[in-house]
Amino acid sequence: AQSVTQLDSQVPVFEEAPVELRCNYSSSVSVYLFWYVQYPNQGLQLLLKYLSGSTLVKGINGFEAEFNKSQTSFHLRKPSVHISDTAEYFCAVGHYGGSQGNLIFGKGTKLSVKP
Amino acid sequence: DAGVTQSPTHLIKTRGQQVTLRCSPKSGHDTVSWYQQALGQGPQFIFQYYEEEERQRGNFPDRFSGHQFPNYSSELNVNALLLGDSALYLCASSLAGSYEQYFGPGTRLTVT
Repeated sequence: AQSVTQLDSQVPVFEEAPVELRCNYSSSVSVYLFWYVQYPNQGLQLLLKYLSGSTLVKGINGFEAEFNKSQTSFHLRKPSVHISDTAEYFCAVGHYGGSQGNLIFGKGTKLSVKP
Repeated sequence: DAGVTQSPTHLIKTRGQQVTLRCSPKSGHDTVSWYQQALGQGPQFIFQYYEEEERQRGNFPDRFSGHQFPNYSSELNVNALLLGDSALYLCASSLAGSYEQYFGPGTRLTVT
């Protein structure tokens, strides 16, 4: 069965420090991947996506992620975080050939940026 | 350009009751998916509607049903509510053939 594992449930970091949020997936077929951000009491906002092509993808708010097929990972990075980046981040995987609606999400990583 | 909208924002129901949640997709989108996000968890796929038909379903009981209207808006119905149905219900819309899904703000359902 397909699954997504977000290795850290909480990541505390100081403002202007770099951060990496880790995501691993398991799948026997080709995948596409997303990172979403969820601010308190809000829905999900798409940060970035990997569908195909270049394995390094850039998203909004200075975030980027690298797709690594051999390690089945899609880690999210930002070189310098801001207080406003405090939120919960979700990694999601979809499967080519399956329904486009059936995204499988990780349990989320809460990023806490401290001054 | 209006994004995905959902109503109501919050809802409190009693065990055994029935509830209907509503979703209007982003302008130009024709496909609606519903997810359940329990507290402290990631969203779980319930089902997807396209052309007014359920196209795919996740691992949810038949108490969860839906509908899509000709204007692409959608409803999620849950019968015989259980305490465990308490969650944030998210609607996502997309354009058929596109993999990107855009989420609404969600409806917070509390079952007492």
